[in-house]
Amino acid sequence: AQSVAQPEDQVNVAEGNPLTVKCTYSVSGNPYLFWYVQYPNRGLQFLLKYITGDNLVKGSYGFEAEFNKSQTSFHLKKPSALVSDSALYFCAVRKAAGNKLTFGGGTRVLVKP
Amino acid sequence: GAVVSQHPSWVICKSGTSVKIECRSLDFQATTMFWYRQFPKQSLMLMATSNEGSKATYEQGVEKDKFLINHASLTLSTLTVTSAHPEDSSFYICSASSGTGGAYGGELFFGEGSRLTVL
Repeated sequence: AQSVAQPEDQVNVAEGNPLTVKCTYSVSGNPYLFWYVQYPNRGLQFLLKYITGDNLVKGSYGFEAEFNKSQTSFHLKKPSALVSDSALYFCAVRKAAGNKLTFGGGTRVLVKP
Repeated sequence: GAVVSQHPSWVICKSGTSVKIECRSLDFQATTMFWYRQFPKQSLMLMATSNEGSKATYEQGVEKDKFLINHASLTLSTLTVTSAHPEDSSFYICSASSGTGGAYGGELFFGEGSRLTVL
């Protein structure tokens, strides 16, 4: 079975400070890893993904994530957070050969001005 | 990226009635569509996987007679909540995949979600 853990329900950060949202995963074989963001009453917006290649993945809106195979982690980062980054963030994993996406519990990010 | 349209965005219905939610892939052919349910402040729970032209595969604990899923074409899947009750009130989200090939191979694209309120 595959699973995703997002250990923090909420992350608070001041605008302009670095933002990190943690994610660890468990899956057999090679993982495909994703980050999505959700604003209130909206669907999920794709931020970035890791399929293969460089462990540091750059995505939309200045976000990046680093794949760490030994720690089975895929933490999301942004060097300088904006108030508009306040939203719900989901990490997700699926097997390379599969299509079923498993989501973490989500982390609410609150960026204060 | 590709666009997935979900309709309606909001629906309010009386207890005992049925509600249909549509999920359309606008610029690609979706061989597989997924339906999720999201409770307030919680993650997405996969309800079922539907492949075009075949019966949907439901996750454990999801009532297939309650949540009817149809995927009759490569661009449309529907979720019908039958005999809705207040406990069915939730945010329902669909996603679509074109499979491993094509311009969008391997990616999932999400609809904007449909909020169902059953009175």
